[in-house]
Formats: sequence, C-alpha cells, structure tokens
Amino acid sequence: EPEVTQTPSHQVTQMGQEVILRCVPISNHLYFYWYRQILGQKVEFLVSFYNNEISEKSEIFDDQFSVERPDGSNFTLKIRSTKLEDSAMYFCASSDLLSGTGDGEAFFGQGTRLTVV
Amino acid sequence: RKEVEQDPGPFNVPEGATVAFNCTYSNSASQSFFWYRQDCRKEPKLLMSVYSSGNEDGRFTAQLNRASQYISLLIRDSKLSDSATYLCVVNEGPSGAGSYQLTFGKGTKLSVIP
Repeated sequence: EPEVTQTPSHQVTQMGQEVILRCVPISNHLYFYWYRQILGQKVEFLVSFYNNEISEKSEIFDDQFSVERPDGSNFTLKIRSTKLEDSAMYFCASSDLLSGTGDGEAFFGQGTRLTVV
Repeated sequence: RKEVEQDPGPFNVPEGATVAFNCTYSNSASQSFFWYRQDCRKEPKLLMSVYSSGNEDGRFTAQLNRASQYISLLIRDSKLSDSATYLCVVNEGPSGAGSYQLTFGKGTKLSVIP
C-alpha cells in the first residue's frame, strides 16, 4: 500500500537553530499538507500546498515557517529559528485532487518528533 | 474560530460492549466529516467518512446531523484492538477543491478491557 514517508523520525535541535523536516508524499497525489500535534493536544493544521504554491495556511504558520517542493518527490517544512514551543510531532499528509464533495482520504505520514532544547 | 468539540473521555469499556462517541462542530459551512483513529504516538488514520444519510462499516456506524452540527460514531462488539483515541475531524477546505484543511477534535480515548 502506498504511504507517506517522513524523515527523520526524531529531531533534537537547539533553540534558535534551523530545522528542515522532510516528507515524501504518495506519488500520484497533488495536495500536500503539514500538521502538528503538541504533546497531549489536538492535531493542528499548518499549511496546504498545491501546484507549487501555498493554498491555505493557519495563523500558526508565521514567517518562521516555510515549505518547499524542491524536486518531484520531496516536500519539506523549514523552521528558521526554532523556539521551545515548536516542540511537537509534525505530520506530513497528502491527498488526491478530488471534485464534488471532497470525499476521499488525506494520508498521514508517521510523523517527525521535534524536540527543541 | 472553527472548533470541533469532543468528550475527552477516557471511556473504559469491557470487550463486547457498545460505545458511542459524540462530536459537535462550529463551522456550518464545513464540507465533509470524518472519524480518524490515533494510536499512542502514531499518526492519525482514517476510520471512516461520515455522510448525512449515515453509514456503516462492519461494527462501526457514523451519523451526521448538519442541522445540529453533530457527528457520532458507534462501535458495536468492541475488541481489545479498538483501544485508541478517536478523533472527530471536519474538512474546512474550499468546496469541491479537493483540499483537506482539516480541523481536529482533541479526541476521545477508548480503552477496551478484557
């Protein structure tokens, strides 16, 4: 079964450092997403990406965050200067382009646990 | 502010029990609805989509009431393997665009006890 893969599974970084989280979406999917989940809290939408540009973003996704699709397979999330409160599980997801009711599924990767110290 | 509210639980039930989860959402323009399941420290996985007509998948039945902005999930004959956190999820993405801007509830933890 096709799956979304994320690397690394765990990243520890010092406050103020830049981190890049990597994702390989499912190959025929056209929409890509980043979500995050702070320990013990709900999963939160960060950003969606389609046709090589951001289509939606939340208020969490401020200037410290950026996304990129540097080649045909990878989708990255960069945090420029990490803060302690950026510590969370970051999930990448992808979905088909669908019409009508939006029925279908967003597939999630296994996540990258980011710990900022 | 778009919110999805769930009873946080935990629900501790014996094997074979029937358990119901409820959820309300605030955005009346929401387009599609889902139940996801999340095991401890794992990614969310789609359990089932939720339709206005109600839908069933084996032991699982989901219902949507758009007028009340209320979603439910019923699990019959619960198994040990059903132990997980059940997430009520609403798609706020633009209608028909195929984009999944998902708003998650905090989840209801279920423990099925032997």
